[in-house]
Amino acid sequence: KNEVEQSPQNLTAQEGEFITINCSYSVGISALHWLQQHPGGGIVSLFMLSSGKKKHGRLIATINIQEKHSSLHITASHPRDSAVYICAVTSGSRLTFGEGTQLTVNP
Amino acid sequence: NAGVTQTPKFQVLKTGQSMTLQCAQDMNHNSMYWYRQDPGMGLRLIYYSASEGTTDKGEVPNGYNVSRLNKREFSLRLESAAPSQTSVYFCASSTVEIGRAEGTQYFGPGTRLLVL
Repeated sequence: KNEVEQSPQNLTAQEGEFITINCSYSVGISALHWLQQHPGGGIVSLFMLSSGKKKHGRLIATINIQEKHSSLHITASHPRDSAVYICAVTSGSRLTFGEGTQLTVNP
Repeated sequence: NAGVTQTPKFQVLKTGQSMTLQCAQDMNHNSMYWYRQDPGMGLRLIYYSASEGTTDKGEVPNGYNVSRLNKREFSLRLESAAPSQTSVYFCASSTVEIGRAEGTQYFGPGTRLLVL
């Protein structure tokens, strides 16, 4: 079993829909990261959080340390949100990545 | 600022050939990393350098060597390429090393390597 599990693996939505991507992890962590990988391959860090909730524009990330679970929400989704969203956790000196969630938002 | 740059963008090698992937960052970051990304797997750490003059093995270091040439540059060398090293390679940097909660990572554009 991977230390970081994401669900769903693939997600297709219509423009305007509210989207949730989930991340569960099995190790103690000091921080959790959400990354976005564009269709061209570039990777951008969206959030880094160790507790609570962070918001940036239409993106919201939450984490529940007790339940070892985080969610990434996208409000009013848009075709330009189509990308792979990757969850990663910092544990000790290691950064462990999930396999990613492929999101496609159709117009 | 260019951020994190990588060269080359694409490379095709024959089994047994050697090559060096170059990475540079202009953000004055202390820590730099090399990852590989393979289909069906998450990014995996090959080597990292917490600060200039230090390097450490990551999760999958076999078949690779690294050099932290100075604070800006961190290169990855394949001495004798194997088909199993076909992958997309990403370099990243951060202000502080992994394990510090404030260590946001900045990624380069990636190098696609095919070993025949």
